[in-house]
Amino acid sequence: GENVEQHPSTLSVQEGDSAVIKCTYSDSASNYFPWYKQELGKRPQLIIDIRSNVGEKKDQRIAVTLNKTAKHFSLHITETQPEDSAVYFCAASTLTFGKGTMLLVSP
Amino acid sequence: DAGVIQSPRHEVTEMGQEVTLRCKPISGHDYLFWYRQTMMRGLELLIYFNNNVPIDDSGMPEDRFSAKMPNASFSTLKIQPSEPRDSAVYFCASTPTGTSAEAFFGQGTRLTVV
Repeated sequence: GENVEQHPSTLSVQEGDSAVIKCTYSDSASNYFPWYKQELGKRPQLIIDIRSNVGEKKDQRIAVTLNKTAKHFSLHITETQPEDSAVYFCAASTLTFGKGTMLLVSP
Repeated sequence: DAGVIQSPRHEVTEMGQEVTLRCKPISGHDYLFWYRQTMMRGLELLIYFNNNVPIDDSGMPEDRFSAKMPNASFSTLKIQPSEPRDSAVYFCASTPTGTSAEAFFGQGTRLTVV
């Protein structure tokens, strides 16, 4: 079955810095890669997704890149703000999630 | 639509008791997923349904776990008998078009087995 590895498990940055979270997947047939944000005590919510026919996608301060050959994809958050503090999950489809990255943005 | 609705929000039960978690998906969504979230194992898929039919239950940890979807607007996840290691947050999610679409999560049920 599919396996998704996510790094780092925790990430601390200063407000205004950029943050990068990386994921790898094992099944070359996977074609949909969503990213979810989960605030403490809340449900995961989609922030951005990318399909295998696209290499990069941006939405304001967040972007996702996909390298199908290497089977890895990354989340980039620029100009981080304290409200970006949360746990971020990558996934390959809705079936397999990474273990999450706790992002802490300090003012 | 009110989104995916789960009940109860919190459940505390004694080891050996039966626990039933409930989920109402978003109307019109044909796919329903049950996940378990723990610190150690992250977010794990337990089972998912398409048009009320279970498609993949390979994530169900043991025979103590069972899930049903008697109609398009209701699903249950049952644990019988419950054990302390079942303590976790259980999420239900639904999508309109399959496993390559945004999953809309319910608020989760926090289960504590003592």
